[in-house]
Amino acid sequence: EPEVTQTPSHQVTQMGQEVILRCVPISNHLYFYWYRQILGQKVEFLVSFYNNEISEKSEIFDDQFSVERPDGSNFTLKIRSTKLEDSAMYFCASWPGTEFYEQYFGPGTRLTVT
Amino acid sequence: AQSVTQLDSHVSVSEGTPVLLRCNYSSSYSPSLFWYVQHPNKGLQLLLKYTSAATLVKGINGFEAEFKKSETSFHLTKPSAHMSDAAEYFCVVSGPSGGYNKLIFGAGTRLAVHP
Repeated sequence: EPEVTQTPSHQVTQMGQEVILRCVPISNHLYFYWYRQILGQKVEFLVSFYNNEISEKSEIFDDQFSVERPDGSNFTLKIRSTKLEDSAMYFCASWPGTEFYEQYFGPGTRLTVT
Repeated sequence: AQSVTQLDSHVSVSEGTPVLLRCNYSSSYSPSLFWYVQHPNKGLQLLLKYTSAATLVKGINGFEAEFKKSETSFHLTKPSAHMSDAAEYFCVVSGPSGGYNKLIFGAGTRLAVHP
């Protein structure tokens, strides 16, 4: 069964450093999403992406964040200058573009900012 | 605006007894509703979904949920709990087309199953 994959599973970085989280969505899916879950809190929507542009973003997704689909298979989330409060689990999801289907989630990347 | 409230942060049951995880939603239009499960150190797995078809929805592993518009509820049930059901469960609301719109998650309910 096709699945969404994410790398790395765990990333440790120092405050102020740039990080790139990588996702490979399911191959025939058209819409892509990033969510995050700060430890002990609910899962929050960050951004959705379709046809090589952002379709919606939350207030969390400020200028420090960017997304890209550089090569037609990977979908990346970049945080330019990490803060302590960026420590969270980041989930990538994809949707096939067919009505009434659900979003398919990857296993997540745990980002720890020290 | 949409929101979802999971009424219990923790639920504890004995193996073999019924499970009830409660969820209420708020939506200005006909929503899609989902239950996702997260086992420790794992990703989010879809249990079941409601997208304006039958109001009683059956999912994987014996779980089911009933969409009640009059009560704005989408409670998750299972007749007999298994040890492997111990996990975090999230009730999720979205727009009417299923997964197109952003997902709004509840705070989660941690289910503990005791022998």
